[in-house]
Amino acid sequence: NAGVTQTPKFQVLKTGQSMTLQCAQDMNHNSMYWYRQDPGMGLRLIYYSASEGTTDKGEVPNGYNVSRLNKREFSLRLESAAPSQTSVYFCASSEGGGDRPMRYTFGSGTRLTVV
Amino acid sequence: GEDVEQSLFLSVREGDSSVINCTYTDSSSTYLYWYKQEPGAGLQLLTYIFSNMDMKQDQRLTVLLNKKDKHLSLRIADTQTGDSAIYFCAESIAGYGQNFVFGPGTRLSVLP
Repeated sequence: NAGVTQTPKFQVLKTGQSMTLQCAQDMNHNSMYWYRQDPGMGLRLIYYSASEGTTDKGEVPNGYNVSRLNKREFSLRLESAAPSQTSVYFCASSEGGGDRPMRYTFGSGTRLTVV
Repeated sequence: GEDVEQSLFLSVREGDSSVINCTYTDSSSTYLYWYKQEPGAGLQLLTYIFSNMDMKQDQRLTVLLNKKDKHLSLRIADTQTGDSAIYFCAESIAGYGQNFVFGPGTRLSVLP
């Protein structure tokens, strides 16, 4: 009954370092997402994957890359971290859409600080 | 474009009712949602309403939708300290693929 699992929970990077945030879901959802959450700005979509093998840019994709490794896993990579990427990152998956309500399930987040 | 707005903060006394308001701009929204985020956690779906309804009640929660004014509200009756969280309004728009827009969130503080 894990839902969406994200790792790591916390990370501190130096400017210019790279890292990959991992995400896995066990609900057999087709769609997966990466969001960032900043104070007063709500959630902003970085990238999403509507199905295995496809990825698309969201609202704020610059500085990030993603990989939909298989149906379960969707990773987010920062190639050269910048202080502006200090944020809380959430992975999510969803079912529904079209004429049905979309039900998102979120991971517990990764708090990233870039110094 | 789509935009969802909420006030950022709300404080209420324990036992009072809380009303969290939201406005959205896209009249083609098929569903509107309320998500709750507790400290240190991800968002959880609290409730949703179909756009052709004007009210939905679920235990202590009442959702009101005024489609003409594009206004959505969440009322929490008998607010408890465990209701302290950030509440996000969101809309999904059919035919826009993954277009699901969140508001900035309202931080509800429940005072004893």
